[in-house]
Amino acid sequence: GDSVTQMEGPVTLSEEAFLTINCTYTATGYPSLFWYVQYPGEGLQLLLKATKADDKGSNKGFEATYRKETTSFHLEKGSVQVSDSAVYFCALGRHDMRFGAGTRLTVKP
Amino acid sequence: GAVVSQHPSWVICKSGTSVKIECRSLDFQATTMFWYRQFPKQSLMLMATSNEGSKATYEQGVEKDKFLINHASLTLSTLTVTSAHPEDSSFYICSARDPQGSYNEQFFGPGTRLTVL
Repeated sequence: GDSVTQMEGPVTLSEEAFLTINCTYTATGYPSLFWYVQYPGEGLQLLLKATKADDKGSNKGFEATYRKETTSFHLEKGSVQVSDSAVYFCALGRHDMRFGAGTRLTVKP
Repeated sequence: GAVVSQHPSWVICKSGTSVKIECRSLDFQATTMFWYRQFPKQSLMLMATSNEGSKATYEQGVEKDKFLINHASLTLSTLTVTSAHPEDSSFYICSARDPQGSYNEQFFGPGTRLTVL
């Protein structure tokens, strides 16, 4: 069945550092791929998405490219801020949604 | 974008009581809603898919008699945790699919934290 494997972390970075959170998936066909962010005590917010191969999703300086050949959807940001501290979930969507384990990011000033 | 609300945002109850959590789509009609459970520092686990006007579809290992789901209208789904016990304490999150939107995108509610004493 469909599944998502995500770098678990935790990840601790200094402000303005480069961020990469790896995500790979297993699925047949062409599911949609998502990155969600969860701040403490809150629900999930959609960060970005891509619906087909080679699509690049981007939002708030974050980017991820849907790579069919490597079955990956790695999240990147060139310069993180303290306010980016949160848990990030990679997800695969068809009729329902399958989530990765989540990666806790802490950005220190 | 589409908005999904949940009520209550948190609840504390005694062991043996039942708790009802509501999930509403505020600006769209959702024929399908989903219920997830999240333990501390863990990922979301799909519990069930709620379809308007029909019975919910439960994931393997989820007790349908313990977690009652009702989706009586296109904007409301409810999850009732019956005879709650401390091990049911968790963060429950619902989501809804907007039929007008991207087929595979779900909009998530803010979650309900349940604590069973």
